[in-house]
Amino acid sequence: GESVGLHLPTLSVQEGDNSIINCAYSNSASDYFIWYKQESGKGPQFIIDIRSNMDKRQGQRVTVLLNKTVKHLSLQIAATQPGDSAVYFCAENPLTDKLIFGTGTRLQVFP
Amino acid sequence: GAVVSQHPSWVICKSGTSVKIECRSLDFQATTMFWYRQFPKQSLMLMATSNEGSKATYEQGVEKDKFLINHASLTLSTLTVTSAHPEDSSFYICSVAGNSPLHFGNGTRLTVT
Repeated sequence: GESVGLHLPTLSVQEGDNSIINCAYSNSASDYFIWYKQESGKGPQFIIDIRSNMDKRQGQRVTVLLNKTVKHLSLQIAATQPGDSAVYFCAENPLTDKLIFGTGTRLQVFP
Repeated sequence: GAVVSQHPSWVICKSGTSVKIECRSLDFQATTMFWYRQFPKQSLMLMATSNEGSKATYEQGVEKDKFLINHASLTLSTLTVTSAHPEDSSFYICSVAGNSPLHFGNGTRLTVT
């Protein structure tokens, strides 16, 4: 079946460094992608999204890159802070509002 | 995006009993809501699509008679786990459709003893 997967289950970075979280998706029909942050015991929190007609989108300290050729999505976090520690999920939307989530990457930020 | 509230945030019940979880859309009229389940250290898996005024649509492998969904108004969907068993212990999360991007509630931690 269709799936969205991540390359790294855990990413450890030092505070102040940049973080890059990767995601591979398999459904070429997906036209909308979202990154979510999930802290322990909470629901997913929207970070940033991108549509397939774009290859880059920037937010506050975050950038999402989309490479449709290789079906790859990445989330870049600049100047990573301890508060960024969480599990990050990419999600794709091949159908109306029905999201398929990736396996998740745990980001650990060390002082 | 929509503000989504779930209740309760956590619940412990005995095996064989039923538990009801509420999902409310506080600022958006939600004709469609989604229910997800998340086991520890795993991703979110879609269980069902809740449709206001009609039957829910369940994903493959999800028992509709065990996970009863009621969506009687544009602001409330409920998920009832019937005859709960320890293997139903999980984190249940709802979201509201139609107001992109999808926003989620804070989840309900269900523990069945």
